[in-house]
Amino acid sequence: NAGVMQNPRHLVRRRGQEARLRCSPMKGHSHVYWYRQLPEEGLKFMVYLQKENIIDESGMPKERFSAEFPKEGPSILRIQQVVRGDSAAYFCASSTGQDFTGELFFGEGSRLTVL
Amino acid sequence: GESVGLHLPTLSVQEGDNSIINCAYSNSASDYFIWYKQESGKGPQFIIDIRSNMDKRQGQRVTVLLNKTVKHLSLQIAATQPGDSAVYFCAELETSGSRLTFGEGTQLTVNP
Repeated sequence: NAGVMQNPRHLVRRRGQEARLRCSPMKGHSHVYWYRQLPEEGLKFMVYLQKENIIDESGMPKERFSAEFPKEGPSILRIQQVVRGDSAAYFCASSTGQDFTGELFFGEGSRLTVL
Repeated sequence: GESVGLHLPTLSVQEGDNSIINCAYSNSASDYFIWYKQESGKGPQFIIDIRSNMDKRQGQRVTVLLNKTVKHLSLQIAATQPGDSAVYFCAELETSGSRLTFGEGTQLTVNP
């Protein structure tokens, strides 16, 4: 049973470009969370999605950031017109459902560097 | 705003000693807490969890203690090994149940 898969592991973008980060949850998991981690800091919640539905996006900036989790395929976190402050590690986690009973399984992260 | 935070940013111990990592939380409504371990370049890994109706829970070499009176959480690691070197985060579950709030982390270094 493969874990949470994130790609790319490393992404370099110039200011103004777009970044797309993908997350495939664990098999059988239908809920996905995205977190951002700045260097030397903790993880900050961004968005919580269920297939074809955004449950909670209160942690996501209103502009330039969007997330989706289609019926088929991975969840995608999209950052438009990236700025240097977007440089961070973006982690995806998945769970079986909204009834949080235990482990939230994290991927290895996607590290975005904006030049 | 309310948040979860750590008392100490770094902790250095000798191999074989016991380690204690502390966490203070301020949201008295939180009812579920988790400790995660994050090794360099990797994602957080679940260690142990505890619900607010408990004050202690034990795992393999790890024990989590919860003191609701002073809103304090601790992780005890017995016989610390070099492989335990990592950043440890406590996290609390919002009462809405939709997200975990993480603290800033404690860097544990185990000296041989």
